[in-house]
Amino acid sequence: AQSVTQLGSHVSVSEGALVLLRCNYSSSVPPYLFWYVQYPNQGLQLLLKYTTGATLVKGINGFEAEFKKSETSFHLTKPSAHMSDAAEYFCAVSNFYGGSQGNLIFGKGTKLSVKP
Amino acid sequence: SAVISQKPSRDICQRGTSLTIQCQVDSQVTMMFWYRQQPGQSLTLIATANQGSEATYESGFVIDKFPISRPNLTFSTLTVSNMSPEDSSIYLCSVNLSGNTIYFGEGSWLTVV
Repeated sequence: AQSVTQLGSHVSVSEGALVLLRCNYSSSVPPYLFWYVQYPNQGLQLLLKYTTGATLVKGINGFEAEFKKSETSFHLTKPSAHMSDAAEYFCAVSNFYGGSQGNLIFGKGTKLSVKP
Repeated sequence: SAVISQKPSRDICQRGTSLTIQCQVDSQVTMMFWYRQQPGQSLTLIATANQGSEATYESGFVIDKFPISRPNLTFSTLTVSNMSPEDSSIYLCSVNLSGNTIYFGEGSWLTVV
């Protein structure tokens, strides 16, 4: 079975500060990992994904995440927060093996606030 | 990426009624997924809809409550039957596109009164 744990339901940073959103996963097979962002009153937008290969993944809006197998982590970072980054962020895990088409298991989400 | 359109985007419904949500994708996909996001919560998979066969439901979700249709490779519907206030949620469809990338529609925001 797969699972995702997002540490911190709410993270607050100052504009211009580093953003670090934590995600740990559990998976018995090589995982596919995703980060999604949900702006207020909107659906989910894909930020980035890890499948195989390079462990540092770059996404949209200056975000990146690093897959660390030894730590079972896939933390999301952005060097400098912008007010427009305020949103809820979801980490998700899936697998595409054994005929699975990849339904997602989501973490509980982390709400990011950015202070001026 | 994909264009995934959902209708309605929002609705307010009376308890005891049913609502059908439509999901249209701009490319052919084998499977479509329906998720529920209850207020302030994360997303939970309701069912997987495969064209030409019965949908596969996750634990806690049943066909009588959430019947799904998948008439072709670009379209699916989810019906929320006999609604109660506890059904007030965002319902999202998603698809798995090439490269094993999973995209979501904008969601259908349902309030049951």
